[in-house]
Amino acid sequence: AQTVTQSQPEMSVQEAETVTLSCTYDTSESDYYLFWYKQPPSRQMILVIRQEAYKQQNATENRFSVNFQKAAKSFSLKISDSQLGDAAMYFCAYRVEYNFNKFYFGSGTKLNVKP
Amino acid sequence: DAGVTQSPTHLIKTRGQQVTLRCSPKSGHDTVSWYQQALGQGPQFIFQYYEEEERQRGNFPDRFSGHQFPNYSSELNVNALLLGDSALYLCASSLADRDRNEQFFGPGTRLTVL
Repeated sequence: AQTVTQSQPEMSVQEAETVTLSCTYDTSESDYYLFWYKQPPSRQMILVIRQEAYKQQNATENRFSVNFQKAAKSFSLKISDSQLGDAAMYFCAYRVEYNFNKFYFGSGTKLNVKP
Repeated sequence: DAGVTQSPTHLIKTRGQQVTLRCSPKSGHDTVSWYQQALGQGPQFIFQYYEEEERQRGNFPDRFSGHQFPNYSSELNVNALLLGDSALYLCASSLADRDRNEQFFGPGTRLTVL
């Protein structure tokens, strides 16, 4: 069974500093995608970054980057130069390549950004 | 280009009642998925519709049903509401093409069952 685990219910970071959110997943599949979604208090889920499992290179989107360790089934999100607008719930999600629309989500990490 | 829209924004029902939630997908998308997000939890997959048929289903009872219309919009129906059905219901749309498959989420409908 596919599961996604986020072991940090809540984290805090000082504005302009760097924070890393952790995610582990369990799967027997070899082809899959991993995602980080952001859900601000306004509720709309926004895609932050995605990683294809077949790619060894870690994905990067501006201040957001991931550390993808396939063997360890680990997928952490690093936010550099944290901004007040980064405060939100962050969800790690997994999708099997053939099961193309069904996402499995972790329980989320609430990120607080201190001015 | 309008993104995913959902209606209503909030809804209050009592136990035993029935509710219908609506979703319009992002322009050009043909697949709609529904998720239930309980307070403090991640979204849980309910089911997915493509070509007006339910293609996949999560671990939800038959009280949860849905429909997709020819214009790709979708409805989620919940019968015999229970207190535990109180949650944020999210709709997500995407393209069936697996290589470009990325889900876009709507703002959700907050359902409260009293």
